[in-house]
Amino acid sequence: SAVISQKPSRDICQRGTSLTIQCQVDSQVTMMFWYRQQPGQSLTLIATANQGSEATYESGFVIDKFPISRPNLTFSTLTVSNMSPEDSSIYLCSVAGQDLSTDTQYFGPGTRLTVL
Amino acid sequence: GNSVTQMEGPVTLSEEAFLTINCTYTATGYPSLFWYVQYPGEGLQLLLKATKADDKGSNKGFEATYRKETTSFHLEKGSVQVSDSAVYFCALRGVSVSARQLTFGSGTQLTVLP
Repeated sequence: SAVISQKPSRDICQRGTSLTIQCQVDSQVTMMFWYRQQPGQSLTLIATANQGSEATYESGFVIDKFPISRPNLTFSTLTVSNMSPEDSSIYLCSVAGQDLSTDTQYFGPGTRLTVL
Repeated sequence: GNSVTQMEGPVTLSEEAFLTINCTYTATGYPSLFWYVQYPGEGLQLLLKATKADDKGSNKGFEATYRKETTSFHLEKGSVQVSDSAVYFCALRGVSVSARQLTFGSGTQLTVLP
């Protein structure tokens, strides 16, 4: 498995501001993903973070709202831009591949975001 | 597209009771199947997995068998403990290169009472 850390672990933000969430892995991974878990809901994939190129976004998610960076094989960031209360969720990073199994995704502890 | 249908919760059991959480899926070919667990206030942890038909995944007393004929991957445990209280998610990973992401079920909240 892998040790995956996310920063911050939680935050309370004001409407209209932006928050950048970091995901760090202790081994090199091929694939990094960002998920959202709204209160009481299941997980929804936001995007796949691609090293050296633009992220691949799922339907309903756009780069202007959720810009993603992936500068190397162990690190990625997700920014939640121009936040509204509807963005209050847990945001989870997950990883797979290279030094890890390509078949299994491992998840970070999540970032719990509350937007007032 | 791929989909996962999971038993609705919440489920409340007494300690040492038998647990079954149903999970069925829709996908082409032979996807990989997973159960993840989310303890209160924490992220997701992989509980067990199966990558081909008739495989049985097991961990911490939990088991699930990949049934291609019924497209199911039901989670079972013979004797639950209070510490098993958590939300359980069934998930699948598609077979094509473009389907590397996981598709999750809705999650089942389990509460085990002493």
